[in-house]
Amino acid sequence: SQTIHQWPATLVQPVGSPLSLECTVEGTSNPNLYWYRQAAGRGLQLLFYSVGIGQISSEVPQNLSASRPQDRQFILSSKKLLLSDSGFYLCAWSATRLAGDYNEQFFGPGTRLTVL
Amino acid sequence: SQKIEQNSEALNIQEGKTATLTCNYTNYSPAYLQWYRQDPGRGPVFLLLIRENEKEKRKERLKVTFDTTLKQSLFHITASQPADSATYLCALDVYYGQNFVFGPGTRLSVLP
Repeated sequence: SQTIHQWPATLVQPVGSPLSLECTVEGTSNPNLYWYRQAAGRGLQLLFYSVGIGQISSEVPQNLSASRPQDRQFILSSKKLLLSDSGFYLCAWSATRLAGDYNEQFFGPGTRLTVL
Repeated sequence: SQKIEQNSEALNIQEGKTATLTCNYTNYSPAYLQWYRQDPGRGPVFLLLIRENEKEKRKERLKVTFDTTLKQSLFHITASQPADSATYLCALDVYYGQNFVFGPGTRLSVLP
């Protein structure tokens, strides 16, 4: 069966510090991978998605970046955190879509980031 | 502009009643729509998917409808239970299953 891991679970960082959040998926190959952010009481905002190694699409201009160094590894980074980067960060995967097929997303447990 | 809305931020209903949640969108043409459940501090969990050519989908006590003319999906929970209390999110496929837009969610509370 497939599983998705995120770490760390919680993180408190000062403004201006770097960030690295990691997400890994097990039990599947060539997944689509996603990073979302959820601010307190708000909906999910898609930050990045990837359909393959080294292929990253950004949805929102910001000081965050994403990388996919391996098929089942997705990393969210920042060189300098802002206060507005605080939130709940979720990684998700979905199966590669075949013609005429539709796939749900499977979410990880999330990382609660507080920038002070 | 493109927008996705869910009828209310919070909904309280009595146990045993049917909960109806609404998802409306503008300026999208999704091939399908999904509903997720999210508990506090957890990631969303997939519940149901409905395609653009389907009018209704059922799974146990859950029912989803999809009206592409009205640009609306309704999500029903029949015989609701306190354990159904959670935030429910609708999501649109906006690019061939590679890109999704989520609604803000409706926080459902089922009162015993």
